[in-house]
Amino acid sequence: TQLLEQSPQFLSIQEGENLTVYCNSSSVFSSLQWYRQEPGEGPVLLVTVVTGGEVKKLKRLTFQFGDARKDSSLHITAAQPGDTGLYLCAGFNTGNQFYFGTGTSLTVIP
Amino acid sequence: EAGVAQSPRYKIIEKRQSVAFWCNPISGHATLYWYQQILGQGPKLLIQFQNNGVVDDSQLPKDRFSAERLKGVDSTLKIQPAKLEDSAVYLCASSLVVHRGAFFGQGTRLTVV
Repeated sequence: TQLLEQSPQFLSIQEGENLTVYCNSSSVFSSLQWYRQEPGEGPVLLVTVVTGGEVKKLKRLTFQFGDARKDSSLHITAAQPGDTGLYLCAGFNTGNQFYFGTGTSLTVIP
Repeated sequence: EAGVAQSPRYKIIEKRQSVAFWCNPISGHATLYWYQQILGQGPKLLIQFQNNGVVDDSQLPKDRFSAERLKGVDSTLKIQPAKLEDSAVYLCASSLVVHRGAFFGQGTRLTVV
């Protein structure tokens, strides 16, 4: 059972454009993380959000946790080729089970 | 600080053979996870340990997969016998505070032929 659905699945954009990736679930999550994974490597933790409505910024990346703690979004401003990778959301539900989302593959074209 | 160490990086075996993967988590991290990742998809949790006890193994195919974490530090994941559909990257991760996210190793890419 896939509890976290990400959209879009694939995204190819030009350098300098903005983009948003969505992570949605019908379940409530006590915390949610975003990771980026490059080919041949393990996922790297970008951010953790724990409070409904929370917004965190990491340079050009903005992360938001939904008020109901069932969804999250990742917004990248002025994308760069170095942002290319697989973006994964993951979260702990109220039963302390840890699930990853379906993933969004981002390609930023120079 | 040393990261999560995994070995081997790559393994090719024939179907019906057995294989084992090893993981050394970040020092002091009580929680250890094993994931299976099919190319282009999100990782699927196989088993979660808290120290040397199993917290969640609901998605572990127990007829062929087994994992242990003796002494609450290193862990091994074994597949016996392997099937073609087991071809994937096996990731190990550890965390200090469970709800704050996990740190991953580079993974072991398994190919079953």
